[in-house]
Amino acid sequence: DAGVTQSPTHLIKTRGQQVTLRCSPKSGHDTVSWYQQALGQGPQFIFQYYEEEERQRGNFPDRFSGHQFPNYSSELNVNALLLGDSALYLCASSTFQGNTEAFFGQGTRLTVV
Amino acid sequence: GQSLEQPSEVTAVEGAIVQINCTYQTSGFYGLSWYQQHDGGAPTFLSYNALDGLEETGRFSSFLSRSDSYGYLLLQELQMKDSASYFCAVIKAAGNKLTFGGGTRVLVKP
Repeated sequence: DAGVTQSPTHLIKTRGQQVTLRCSPKSGHDTVSWYQQALGQGPQFIFQYYEEEERQRGNFPDRFSGHQFPNYSSELNVNALLLGDSALYLCASSTFQGNTEAFFGQGTRLTVV
Repeated sequence: GQSLEQPSEVTAVEGAIVQINCTYQTSGFYGLSWYQQHDGGAPTFLSYNALDGLEETGRFSSFLSRSDSYGYLLLQELQMKDSASYFCAVIKAAGNKLTFGGGTRVLVKP
């Protein structure tokens, strides 16, 4: 079992550009959640996908969007990048019902210059 | 709104016991989780409490008091490898959406 895999591991972008991050959930999981973690802080919930729909959303602007595919994998897209978007982006997979343990990927370290 | 408060840093020696407290204010509550994160690593699940009381898993135990909106993580027989950040997180609804605290950095010294 490969666990949760994220790509790429590191990324450097310029202000104003767009970025797409990818996540493959753990086998048997149907729910993918995305988090942003700034240095020295706790992860902040961005949004969650289940059955290819955004189910819950945190306090993030519309520049942050996502998608879930039929195979449960997911993408996070960020448009019009700002310097403040520099962070570690974590993907967590779980089952939507009856599961209280989330499995996190190693994250994508995004640097905006 | 919602918030979780936990100490920012704790230092202890090998073999000692450390308790990390977490108080929360939230509308809606399913349970309280704890995650460990080493520098540069992914958060990993440690424990989950939905009901009042103590849950024990090896050297780590977690406690919840729903009436006090309070929980703690107890790390026993500290080892050097326990040096990491520990996060409490509230689950408010189905789907395992996590609202994290700011984290407690635990430094274990020889």
